[in-house]
Parts: sequence; structure tokens; C-alpha cells
Amino acid sequence: AQSVTQLDSHVSVSEGTPVLLRCNYSSSYSPSLFWYVQHPNKGLQLLLKYTSAATLVKGINGFEAEFKKSETSFHLTKPSAHMSDAAEYFCVAPNFGNEKLTFGTGTRLTIIP
Amino acid sequence: DTGVSQDPRHKITKRGQNVTFRCDPISEHNRLYWYRQTLGQGPEFLTYFQNEAQLEKSRLLSDRFSAERPKGSFSTLEIQRTEQGDSAMYLCASSLESYSAREQFFGPGTRLTVL
Repeated sequence: AQSVTQLDSHVSVSEGTPVLLRCNYSSSYSPSLFWYVQHPNKGLQLLLKYTSAATLVKGINGFEAEFKKSETSFHLTKPSAHMSDAAEYFCVAPNFGNEKLTFGTGTRLTIIP
Repeated sequence: DTGVSQDPRHKITKRGQNVTFRCDPISEHNRLYWYRQTLGQGPEFLTYFQNEAQLEKSRLLSDRFSAERPKGSFSTLEIQRTEQGDSAMYLCASSLESYSAREQFFGPGTRLTVL
């Protein structure tokens, strides 16, 4: 079974500066990986997904993530943070077959004006 | 709105009472999932259905919990004899069966508070 580890529980960046949210995975086979975002009082929304195609994945709202097998990482980045990016971000691994999702513990992103 | 809907959005109950939540998935989706999210944690898988068949249940789903999807459309999650530890956000998601990883669409959740 796949598992994911989010290395930071809380990240704060200033508006307009880059964002880096870190995720490491462990899997015995080539994984699929997602990033979901959860805004306060709103449902979870898929940001992007990696499914063994291109290693650099582009998502919504200017986010992207790079799958690095050598580092077992799938870090989420954005060149310039916006106030609306403040939310909880989850690195997620779907299980092969039934696709039930295994969530990381989450990273709360705070944007400083 | 054709997204996943959940009802009620909030439920406050006293310990020992029974509660039932409803989830309406996206209409063409044949898979339906229930997750539970406690404060400060990521969602945890509870159970899932493919059409009307319940195919897997987590060990988190004690005997007090039961889920149904009688006609392969909406689903209900019932908790009997609620305990304070059941307080959480209960999330429903739906997707299409696929051989490749496919997005699950989440509803807004039902927040349960057990007093």
C-alpha cells in the first residue's frame, strides 16, 4: 500500500513569494499521487494529479508539482503566492484498484500580506 | 449544481442518540466513498461502494456504523449510540470506476458534534 508524508504541518510565506509544500511517498510500485486543497468551510478540491505520464504536472491556480522517483518526492510549488491560496493542502495517494485515498496529515498554508 | 451534496451540513446530538447522514453523488458516478476527518488531521477512509455493493470497510468502521447505497445512487451513513469520539467531519466522495487513478469529487461534508 502507498503512504505519504507531509514534512511541514504549517508554512507561512509573504504574498508574491514562492510556495513550496513538501511531500514524500513510499510505494513498492510506480505510484499515482494527487494534491488536494481544502479551503475553510469548503469541500476538498483536486489541484493536480500524477499518473506516470509527465513528471512535471501542472494544476489549477498556477500550482505545479514534480514527481522525483530518485527522491521519492512530489513537492507542490507555486512561483508567486496569492492571498486566496491560504488553505490546507493534502498530499494524497490513491490505492491501486479500489482507488481509496490515503491522505497525508496536511500542510496549512498562511499568506502574509 | 451537479456536484456531490451532503445533508445535513451540521448535526449536534447527545451521546447515545442515533444519527443518519445522506450523500448524493454525481449522477453518472458508480463509486461512492465515505471518509472521516477529525480536527487537524487528513481524511481517513471508512468505506466504499461500487454501484449498490459495499466492497470494503475500514477497521475504523465499528459495529455502530452502517452504510447503505440501496439503488446505487444516494448513500446513507448511520451511527448508532453515538459517542463523543464520533465527533468529526464526515465526507462523501464519488468517482467513475477506472483502471487509472481518477479524481474523487468531494461533497462539503457533514460536521457531527456529539455532546
